[in-house]
Amino acid sequence: DAGVTQSPTHLIKTRGQQVTLRCSPKSGHDTVSWYQQALGQGPQFIFQYYEEEERQRGNFPDRFSGHQFPNYSSELNVNALLLGDSALYLCASSLVEYGYTFGSGTRLTVV
Amino acid sequence: QKEVEQDPGPLSVPEGAIVSLNCTYSNSAFQYFMWYRQYSRKGPELLMYTYSSGNKEDGRFTAQVDKSSKYISLFIRDSQPSDSATYLCAMTSNTGGFKTIFGAGTRLFVKA
Repeated sequence: DAGVTQSPTHLIKTRGQQVTLRCSPKSGHDTVSWYQQALGQGPQFIFQYYEEEERQRGNFPDRFSGHQFPNYSSELNVNALLLGDSALYLCASSLVEYGYTFGSGTRLTVV
Repeated sequence: QKEVEQDPGPLSVPEGAIVSLNCTYSNSAFQYFMWYRQYSRKGPELLMYTYSSGNKEDGRFTAQVDKSSKYISLFIRDSQPSDSATYLCAMTSNTGGFKTIFGAGTRLFVKA
């Protein structure tokens, strides 16, 4: 049974560009959450999708947007990239309120 | 004040020691309490979860939640070098949706 799959694994972008990260949840999971993890920090909540709707959002600007598809997969889009957006972006899926299954993340570097 | 506070360490112990990891929190709406382990360059993996107050044991791991003090702990008995990782506490409230907040993580090194 495949866990959470994220793509790409690594990405280098230039300031001002836009990026799309992708996530396939664990089989049977219907909720997808996205987190940003800076080096040496805990994951910071970006937003959560359930039934193709954004259910919760953290303290991130509107440059961060997302989407969930009918097959529960999800995308995270970041516009107008800043140097400070460089981080590990983690996707987590779940079926209940606790106990996320995380992917290995996408390492984004903005230069 | 952050919703969840966790000492980042690092914490270095000899093999076989008992490890105690702790978090405090400020939001009394948190109902679910989790501990995740994260190895370098990997995503976090769920170790244990507890609903509301109480203790839970799983092998060498014991999780404790004291809601009256807003304090949670993870104990690792007979620590092994393979336990060397970052340990993240996490908490979820069920008000206004299910948002899980993570602590900063404690880096643990177990020396052989």
